[in-house]
Amino acid sequence: DAGVIQSPRHEVTEMGQEVTLRCKPISGHNSLFWYRQTMMRGLELLIYFNNNVPIDDSGMPEDRFSAKMPNASFSTLKIQPSEPRDSAVYFCASSRQGIGVQPQHFGDGTRLSIL
Amino acid sequence: DQQVKQNSPSLSVQEGRISILNCDYTNSMFDYFLWYKKYPAEGPTFLISISSIKDKNEDGRFTVFLNKSAKHLSLHIVPSQPGDSAVYFCAAKDFGNEKLTFGTGTRLTIIP
Repeated sequence: DAGVIQSPRHEVTEMGQEVTLRCKPISGHNSLFWYRQTMMRGLELLIYFNNNVPIDDSGMPEDRFSAKMPNASFSTLKIQPSEPRDSAVYFCASSRQGIGVQPQHFGDGTRLSIL
Repeated sequence: DQQVKQNSPSLSVQEGRISILNCDYTNSMFDYFLWYKKYPAEGPTFLISISSIKDKNEDGRFTVFLNKSAKHLSLHIVPSQPGDSAVYFCAAKDFGNEKLTFGTGTRLTIIP
């Protein structure tokens, strides 16, 4: 089975540019999560969707960040304009909400560097 | 406010011995706990979990213990193998909420 697929794996761009990160969840999974990992704050949840609807975006740092899930097989996280402090590894995860607790499955992340 | 804490940033264990990784939490609403393992340049991989109605869950070489009164859980790996060298994250969720709160991780190194 294909796992969670994230693209690009690495992104280097200059401050002020728009950055778009992409995620394809595991087929059949109905919950999708965006995380950010930094040395200072560890792994923190930014936003999560259930059945393509944003449920909790309280972790989104500021208005420069936005996330969409237009359908069950695709999500984007956009940063506009980007700043050097946005440099981090961004992970996408998915899970199947149902009977019992289902673990989240993570992609391999996008390493973002803002110069 | 760090609700899930892993106070040991690193741990070294001899191959074949037992590795014990610890995790403390402060939120009494947490009712489900998970351990994830992470290799460099990869995403975290689910390892084992435990519900708050249990105090122990075992899966092969991995056992998770939960002490609700102390708000403490631990992951035991026995025997430890070189492939276990990774960063281990403890995570917790509360009932009815899919959000996971992660600890900061413990880097485990298995010495051959």
